[in-house]
Amino acid sequence: EDKVVQSPLSLVVHEGDTVTLNCSYEVTNFRSLLWYKQEKKAPTFLFMLTSSGIEKKSGRLSSILDKKELFSILNITATQTGDSAVYLCAGATQGGSEKLVFGKGTKLTVNP
Amino acid sequence: DAGVIQSPRHEVTEMGQEVTLRCKPISGHDYLFWYRQTMMRGLELLIYFNNNVPIDDSGMPEDRFSAKMPNASFSTLKIQPSEPRDSAVYFCASTEQLAGTQYFGPGTRLTVL
Repeated sequence: EDKVVQSPLSLVVHEGDTVTLNCSYEVTNFRSLLWYKQEKKAPTFLFMLTSSGIEKKSGRLSSILDKKELFSILNITATQTGDSAVYLCAGATQGGSEKLVFGKGTKLTVNP
Repeated sequence: DAGVIQSPRHEVTEMGQEVTLRCKPISGHDYLFWYRQTMMRGLELLIYFNNNVPIDDSGMPEDRFSAKMPNASFSTLKIQPSEPRDSAVYFCASTEQLAGTQYFGPGTRLTVL
């Protein structure tokens, strides 16, 4: 059975701290790994990673994929209170039935 | 574009009643997904459509759940009869390509009493 496991489940930091969120996956016919940010509403897309070792950056956020060890990390530097959210990781399958398999998320709380 | 539109945003009903959730995908997106999110199980894929045709419904919990997509701009998820354990947030998402980014609607928060 396909599964995605995220750690930690929750994290509380102070503004300015740097955080690393972890995602490991076991997904049949793996295509790509996606990160989403979910505040109080719908998940919003952050990154899609397809190739190993290539970092993707967007402002203070960055992510990288290791297809050999089957994991990805999401880094957030100089955290702000607006970064408080649940961060979801999903493995995308390919083949006859393609879909996203989501982890349960990491709840990040950034205190002033 | 207005993004993915879902209605209603909140639904409270009694056990045994029929519930219909609605979704309008982003125009031009050929794939539509229905997800359910709970604290216990996280975000789970229920079913997805390609060009209005159901492709994978293996995530549909049981026969009480059914989904249709009569045209490219509208889909429904129906629960009949509803049970308290169906209480969750139901998201609809759409994408242009299967390997592309999925855009989520605002969700419908369903409470079954």
